[in-house]
Order: sequence, then C-alpha cells, then structure tokens
Amino acid sequence: AQSVTQLGSHVSVSEGALVLLRCNYSSSVPPYLFWYVQYPNQGLQLLLKYTTGATLVKGINGFEAEFKKSETSFHLTKPSAHMSDAAEYFCASQGAGTALIFGKGTTLSVSS
Amino acid sequence: ETGVTQSPTHLIKTRGQQVTLRCSSQSGHNTVSWYQQALGQGPQFIFQYYREEENGRGNFPPRFSGLQFPNYSSELNVNALELDDSALYLCASSLKAGGRLGTDTQYFGPGTRLTVL
Repeated sequence: AQSVTQLGSHVSVSEGALVLLRCNYSSSVPPYLFWYVQYPNQGLQLLLKYTTGATLVKGINGFEAEFKKSETSFHLTKPSAHMSDAAEYFCASQGAGTALIFGKGTTLSVSS
Repeated sequence: ETGVTQSPTHLIKTRGQQVTLRCSSQSGHNTVSWYQQALGQGPQFIFQYYREEENGRGNFPPRFSGLQFPNYSSELNVNALELDDSALYLCASSLKAGGRLGTDTQYFGPGTRLTVL
C-alpha cells in the first residue's frame, strides 16, 4: 500500500533562509507526487506536481521540488523564506486511479 | 473560471444526527473527491465520484455516503453522527481524462468545518 512520510512535523526558519521540507513515499511504482499548502482555516492550494518527465519541478511562490526515484523522495525547497510562507504543507502521492494519499503535514514557521 | 465551492462553511450537529455537505466542482471538471481532515492530521480519502458513479472508497463506514449530479456537483451525507466525525471536510474536483482509472490533479475547496457535540 502507498504511504507518504513527512519528516519533521514542525520546521522553523528565519526570513530569507532556505526552506527544506522533506517527503518520502512508499510505492511499488513511482506515483504522481504533489505538494499542497494550507493556510489557517482554509482548504488546500496546489503548489506543484510531478507526473512524468523532468524531475525538478517548479511551482508557485518560488517553491520547487525534485523527484529522486533512488531515494523515493520528493523534498520541497525555496531559496529564501518569506513571512507569508508560514503555513501547513502537505506532500501527497497518487497511484493509478483515485485517492491522494497525504502525509501528516509539516508546519512551517518563519521568523523575522 | 469559478473554483471549487463548498457549503456550508461551518456546521454544528449533535451525536446521532444526520448531515449533508455540498460541493460545486470547478467548471469543466467531471470528478469529485471527498476527504476528511481531523485536527492536526493530513486529509483522509473518503470516496470519489466520476461521472455520477462511485469510483473508489477509503476506509470509511457505510454511514458515509455520497452523490454526484449531472452538473458534476456533489453531496456528502453522514448518518448517525459520532463525536469523532468532527473534522474539516474537503471536496476536490478534477478532470479525469482517459477513463475512471486515469490520474488527475485535484483542486480543493475551502472545506466545511463540522462539529459534533
């Protein structure tokens, strides 16, 4: 069965610092992979997705993620954090068909 | 282009009651998926509807049921509410090309916050 593990339930960075949120997936075949962001009391907003092709994927708000099959990872990065990046981030995988399988989420805090 | 909308925004019910949550899908989408997000957790898949038929179900009891209408909007019904049903219920719409087993990118609505007392 598919599963998604997000390492670190809480990550704190200073404004302007590198953001790195970790995600590992477990699947017999490489799934489609997604990162979503959730601001307080809101739904999920798609940041970026990997389906096939180029393994470095660029998303909105300066975020990017790299699919590494050998490491079964899909870590999310941003070179320079902004205060507005503070939110909950979810990594998700999708095999053939239907459901998104989500990790438990990582709360990103950004301090000035 | 109108995004995914959900109603109501908030809802308070008592244990044993029934509730209906509604979702309007994004224009051009033919698939709706429902997720339950308990406090501090990631969303859990409840079920998906593709062209008005259930197209996959997560580990939820039969008292969770749904419908999809010809305009691709959807309802989630929960009977015999329990305290543990308190959660944010998220609807996601997508365009599933290539048939019911095709993968799709799901776009989420703002959610309905259900509190069961």
